[in-house]
Amino acid sequence: AQSVTQLDSHVSVSEGTPVLLRCNYSSSYSPSLFWYVQHPNKGLQLLLKYTSAATLVKGINGFEAEFKKSETSFHLTKPSAHMSDAAEYFCVVTFSSNTGKLIFGQGTTLQVKP
Amino acid sequence: EAGVAQSPRYKIIEKRQSVAFWCNPISGHATLYWYQQILGQGPKLLIQFQNNGVVDDSQLPKDRFSAERLKGVDSTLKIQPAKLEDSAVYLCASSRDLYNEQFFGPGTRLTVL
Repeated sequence: AQSVTQLDSHVSVSEGTPVLLRCNYSSSYSPSLFWYVQHPNKGLQLLLKYTSAATLVKGINGFEAEFKKSETSFHLTKPSAHMSDAAEYFCVVTFSSNTGKLIFGQGTTLQVKP
Repeated sequence: EAGVAQSPRYKIIEKRQSVAFWCNPISGHATLYWYQQILGQGPKLLIQFQNNGVVDDSQLPKDRFSAERLKGVDSTLKIQPAKLEDSAVYLCASSRDLYNEQFFGPGTRLTVL
């Protein structure tokens, strides 16, 4: 079965400290992986994507993620959290066999404390 | 470039009533998606159109949900009759073609009482 698991439903960090949001996927096929962010009452926005090129992917707003095939992971990181990073983050996977259909994780709520 | 437009933004109805949502994708985008996002969960694909044809509707509850994209542009999603468990945010997304980046609208928040 093809699925994605976000290991933390809620992460709390202080402003200026590093952010780590964890994601694991399960697939028999070569995946494309994404991170989306959802701010309250706003649409989903693409942060970054991995599509079998470089394993370390840089996205917007200082976020990056590393694809590790041996660990089936795609964790999202940022060196220094900003108050505006507080939002819901979704790890998303799609496969070349499934017409571009996105499979979303359950989401991780990131809280940033001053 | 204008984004994906959805209306209404909010809707409150009684159970067993009907409701319809409208989506206008980004101009030139051939692929359109409807997702259901229940509170505390990630979005789930309900139906995917390529132009005016259905690509995937495997998770659409067809006994009560229907969707159309008659001219390959705008789309409507209908629920008839609504159940309490249909309370969710309904998201529309579009992409230039299959496998391209999906752009999401702001969603319609449905509350069924």
